[in-house]
Amino acid sequence: NAGVTQTPKFQVLKTGQSMTLQCAQDMNHEYMSWYRQDPGMGLRLIHYSVGAGITDQGEVPNGYNVSRSTTEDFPLRLLSAAPSQTSVYFCASRYSEREVGYTFGSGTRLTVV
Amino acid sequence: KQEVTQIPAALSVPEGENLVLNCSFTDSAIYNLQWFRQDPGKGLTSLLLIQSSQREQTSGRLNASLDKSSGRSTLYIAASQPGDSATYLCAPLYNTDKLIFGTGTRLQVFP
Repeated sequence: NAGVTQTPKFQVLKTGQSMTLQCAQDMNHEYMSWYRQDPGMGLRLIHYSVGAGITDQGEVPNGYNVSRSTTEDFPLRLLSAAPSQTSVYFCASRYSEREVGYTFGSGTRLTVV
Repeated sequence: KQEVTQIPAALSVPEGENLVLNCSFTDSAIYNLQWFRQDPGKGLTSLLLIQSSQREQTSGRLNASLDKSSGRSTLYIAASQPGDSATYLCAPLYNTDKLIFGTGTRLQVFP
């Protein structure tokens, strides 16, 4: 049981480039989310999904796109990378019942130069 | 605005001490609250989950309490060990399926 798997672990992008951060879970969790973690600011929600085909914006969605075509995968796309998107990105998932908590992936450290 | 504050921001203690980490949240309309541990450069590991209807949860040397009406949660760590050194994050869950995080308490336990 791999849990929540994020790839890549590290990435350096040039300003203006696009890329996709991958997130996959093998726990059949309905809910999946993307957070970014910046020094001194805590983790902030970017986008989330409550099931395949359903996504919604979080607190800081600008510059990011998501889609959820399967229960297992929830990729995060950076359309045109900016230095302000330098951060550590975490994917998380959970069952729909709120009696259970979130499981987080190990993160992707992204640097935009 | 939904905000979470964690006090203290940092804590350095000798091994064996009993510790209290505090978390307060401005909006008490939570569904549950999770405590996480984060080691440097690593992901988040869930420690405890408290439902909004519960008062406390225990796991080994960890005990978390919740006072929803006053917007407070406390994590107690008994008989601290050097391996407990990490950043501890609390995160209440709100209706929009949004975890709100504080900036954490950075704990160092020295031998």
